[in-house]
This record gives sequence, C-alpha cells and structure tokens, in this order.
Amino acid sequence: QQQVKQSPQSLIVQKGGIPIINCAYENTAFDYFPWYQQFPGKGPALLIAIRPDVSEKKEGRFTISFNKSAKQFSLHIMDSQPGDSATYFCAAGRMDSSYKLIFGSGTRLLVRP
Amino acid sequence: ETGVTQSPTHLIKTRGQQVTLRCSSQSGHNTVSWYQQALGQGPQFIFQYYREEENGRGNFPPRFSGLQFPNYSSELNVNALELDDSALYLCASSLKGSGEAFFGQGTRLTVV
Repeated sequence: QQQVKQSPQSLIVQKGGIPIINCAYENTAFDYFPWYQQFPGKGPALLIAIRPDVSEKKEGRFTISFNKSAKQFSLHIMDSQPGDSATYFCAAGRMDSSYKLIFGSGTRLLVRP
Repeated sequence: ETGVTQSPTHLIKTRGQQVTLRCSSQSGHNTVSWYQQALGQGPQFIFQYYREEENGRGNFPPRFSGLQFPNYSSELNVNALELDDSALYLCASSLKGSGEAFFGQGTRLTVV
C-alpha cells in the first residue's frame, strides 16, 4: 500500500514536444504529491507539487494533473527543451508528523534538438 | 541551489567498516530526512529527525543510525558496511508541516 508506480521508464521526444509521465498510488492517506528532477551526479530538485484538493497545477512549463478517484497523477512538460533531459521522479507523502516521501522508480527523459 | 550541503561528496569504504555522512540543513528548516538511492532507482526513505529525535523510520536495519544537532545539522552513521550499501545517500531538509523537502547533492558511497 506504500508503493508509487511510475511510467514510462524512459521517454524520448523532439524539442517542443509534450512528454507526459504518469504515476499511481495506493495509500489514500497520502496528501502531498511532488515531482522532482534529477540530473546525473546531483540530488533531486523539487519541480512542482500538488495537494489532492485541486485537479491541476501549473508552474511555468510544468503542469501536474491529479485524479483523486483514480489515485493517479501526471506531469506534463510543455514546449520541452534539450535542457529538460533528466530523470524525473514522482513521489507521495503525508504532511503530518510522520512525513516522508515514497518515490516512484523514475522516468529518464531525453529531449532531442 | 537548495542550501542543503552534504559531505563528503564521494567516499570509498571496505566491507565491515563504519561510515559517517554529514548534512547541513537549509536555513530555517527544522526537519532532516535521509534517503538511500541505489543506481537507477528512486530514493528510499531511511529515517527522519525532528527536534533531535528520530521521527519515523523506513525499512532499514538498526546498523543505520542518525543524529540531529541543535543547529539542525545531521549525521547518518552506517555500521558493518555491506556491498549492497553502495549508493547515493541524500539528505533532505524541510520545515515541519510544510511538505516541501529540499535535497542536497548527495554523498556517493562505494563499498568494496
């Protein structure tokens, strides 16, 4: 019940394309869903996060869509650029005193010029 | 840059040895969490510290232990190192209740 399933494992798009990464969770107690971007040799960097009381959140070229009934959420990257090539992780957690994050397995994105 | 710094950046240890990794939290943050990231996988939660006490633990054996200091910096200690302990160890700091966790660049530990 603690798993977060992420797909696809890897993704290749052309510059300007809109890669979509999907995640599904099981624990309905989760109330915080962030996305992280990680470059080789670096720590994960927080991109954008959503709470279950909204269905969509946009920050710049990054959009999270959230479907509470299906227990799924996804990341869309608008007008993707070669500099977006990185590994993306979804995560889920609770914002109470037992806060910790359960991460998906990651999606390696390559944006071709 | 997140303001979370970890040291050292790389470390090579021999099986059976002990290791201490260090983390300085972002200014204003009072909670620190440690994660283990094996190659090609997502980070796995080890434990979290708040007010110098352990405040949640993942599925890791007792030979993984930690400390949080009054200035909110933290240490991760691993005893009796095993080859499978080779991984990137990440520290994340946050303000309790905010949800947002900011990671350091990690310490790459290699056990030979």
